Amino acid sequence: EPEVTQTPSHQVTQMGQEVILRCVPISNHLYFYWYRQILGQKVEFLVSFYNNEISEKSEIFDDQFSVERPDGSNFTLKIRSTKLEDSAMYFCASKMRSSNQPQHFGDGTRLSIL
Amino acid sequence: AQSVTQLGSHVSVSEGALVLLRCNYSSSVPPYLFWYVQYPNQGLQLLLKYTTGATLVKGINGFEAEFKKSETSFHLTKPSAHMSDAAEYFCAVIRYGGATNKLIFGTGTLLAVQP
Repeated sequence: EPEVTQTPSHQVTQMGQEVILRCVPISNHLYFYWYRQILGQKVEFLVSFYNNEISEKSEIFDDQFSVERPDGSNFTLKIRSTKLEDSAMYFCASKMRSSNQPQHFGDGTRLSIL
Repeated sequence: AQSVTQLGSHVSVSEGALVLLRCNYSSSVPPYLFWYVQYPNQGLQLLLKYTTGATLVKGINGFEAEFKKSETSFHLTKPSAHMSDAAEYFCAVIRYGGATNKLIFGTGTLLAVQP
């Protein structure tokens, strides 16, 4: 069964550094998402991406965050200048067009900011 | 706006006992509801979904959930717990509005299965 894959599985970065989290969504999916889960808290929506542009973003997704689909297969989340509070598990998800189709999640990237 | 509430952040059952994880939703429109499971150090795996039609939905690993509109509930059950069911379970609802139908998650229920 096709899967969403995320790399790396764990990223350790110094505060203030830029980090890029990578995702390869399922190939025939059209909607792409990033979610975040701070340790011990619930999964929160960050941003969605459709038709090569952001379609919705949360208040968490400020100017330090950006997303890109550079080559038609990868879907990346960039944090320009990381803060301690960016430490979390970041999940990528994708789904097909239909509104009631489930989102398929990757295994996540654990981001640790030192 | 849509939301879900999961009652009980931790649930412990004995192996072979009934599993009941509670989820209540709030929605002004017919909701699309999901249960996801997260095993340690893994991502979110879809257990089952309710969109329309039959209110009792069956998922993977012997789990099922019943959509009860009158109770605004979508509780997850499994007749007989197995050690491998130990994980965190998240109820989620699709939020309408905008083009993206993002998922709104509950706070999760950590299921422990005792031998």
